[in-house]
Amino acid sequence: RKEVEQDPGPFNVPEGATVAFNCTYSNSASQSFFWYRQDCRKEPKLLMSVYSSGNEDGRFTAQLNRASQYISLLIRDSKLSDSATYLCVVNRPGTYKYIFGTGTRLKVLA
Amino acid sequence: DTGVSQNPRHKITKRGQNVTFRCDPISEHNRLYWYRQTLGQGPEFLTYFQNEAQLEKSRLLSDRFSAERPKGSFSTLEIQRTEQGDSAMYLCASSPGTQNTDTQYFGPGTRLTVL
Repeated sequence: RKEVEQDPGPFNVPEGATVAFNCTYSNSASQSFFWYRQDCRKEPKLLMSVYSSGNEDGRFTAQLNRASQYISLLIRDSKLSDSATYLCVVNRPGTYKYIFGTGTRLKVLA
Repeated sequence: DTGVSQNPRHKITKRGQNVTFRCDPISEHNRLYWYRQTLGQGPEFLTYFQNEAQLEKSRLLSDRFSAERPKGSFSTLEIQRTEQGDSAMYLCASSPGTQNTDTQYFGPGTRLTVL
């Protein structure tokens, strides 16, 4: 099983749709979780940290499910500008390493 | 601009040559990471510095790779005797290291092409 796993997509959704991505992780002791957004040929940019209680930032909601070992990202009212690759990141306990998933590609269609 | 900067942005080299990349982190960020990213993959951890100390290094980093952060500010990544498989985007990220969670801010990357 991969340490951090994401569905690569692409997810093609119409403008205004709600879309959700999941990311599973293998180490139950992981404590730090993030979602990053990466545009084509650009660097990753932090979208949001994921807290145990879940957190929301505008149209974006992140949740952590420790029992099933996954994090999720929900995007409401999708915009064309949301088209990007969404990377989940999880720490490897006992190390300074952060493990990135391969990313989920989102295309929002007009 | 007070973000993470990397130089050069692009590097084309011939197989067997040595290359060196530089990363300038956000001022006063004491944590610095190097990653490598290839097409269709997420960034892959290479090494981590806390101030000037290199505290972790990936096993993926062969002895041809070396990184330094001599004064705890900028960092360099050197690849000796480059191979075509080294072609990738090399990303640097810094973090303030003042919170329980380690939010990393990435530079624009150096794209390496080995011919």
